[in-house]
Amino acid sequence: RKEVEQDPGPFNVPEGATVAFNCTYSNSASQSFFWYRQDCRKEPKLLMSVYSSGNEDGRFTAQLNRASQYISLLIRDSKLSDSATYLCVVNARPGNNNDMRFGAGTRLTVKP
Amino acid sequence: DAGITQSPRHKVTETGTPVTLRCHQTENHRYMYWYRQDPGHGLRLIHYSYGVKDTDKGEVSDGYSVSRSKTEDFLLTLESATSSQTSVYFCAIRPGQGGEKLFFGSGTQLSVL
Repeated sequence: RKEVEQDPGPFNVPEGATVAFNCTYSNSASQSFFWYRQDCRKEPKLLMSVYSSGNEDGRFTAQLNRASQYISLLIRDSKLSDSATYLCVVNARPGNNNDMRFGAGTRLTVKP
Repeated sequence: DAGITQSPRHKVTETGTPVTLRCHQTENHRYMYWYRQDPGHGLRLIHYSYGVKDTDKGEVSDGYSVSRSKTEDFLLTLESATSSQTSVYFCAIRPGQGGEKLFFGSGTQLSVL
């Protein structure tokens, strides 16, 4: 089983739609979680951290469910510019900040 | 802009030849990383460095070596390239005071024929 798993998609949604992605992780001791965004043929860029209490940044909401070992990303009022691949990242070795594990990504396409 | 430059941006080479990729940073960050990205696998850590001449292996280190003789440069070497090393390689830095957030270079597309 992979340490971090994501639904690869693709998710094809119309502008204005709400879309949610989940990501599961295998190490119950993991403490740090992130969502990165990667545009086609570009480098990944940090979108947001995921806190235990959940966090929101504009149209984006990230949540953590420790009991079920998954994190989620909700995008409201989707824009064309949200089209990208979203990468889930988990610190698989608590105490070792050098071993971040990446999911394979969920591809989102927002259409007019 | 995290001040990270990768070179070359694209390289085509033949099986069995040595290849070195360079990562250069301008902001004196202590931690530097090499990842590879392949379809269906996401990014996987190859090697990382926590200071000059201090390096350690990552998840997929076989067939790769690294060197860091200066804070600003982190080199990734494929001693004898194989077709399975065809991939996109990303360098990243982690600001020591910034927790676990990573900032990536633009990547190097390597094709081994």
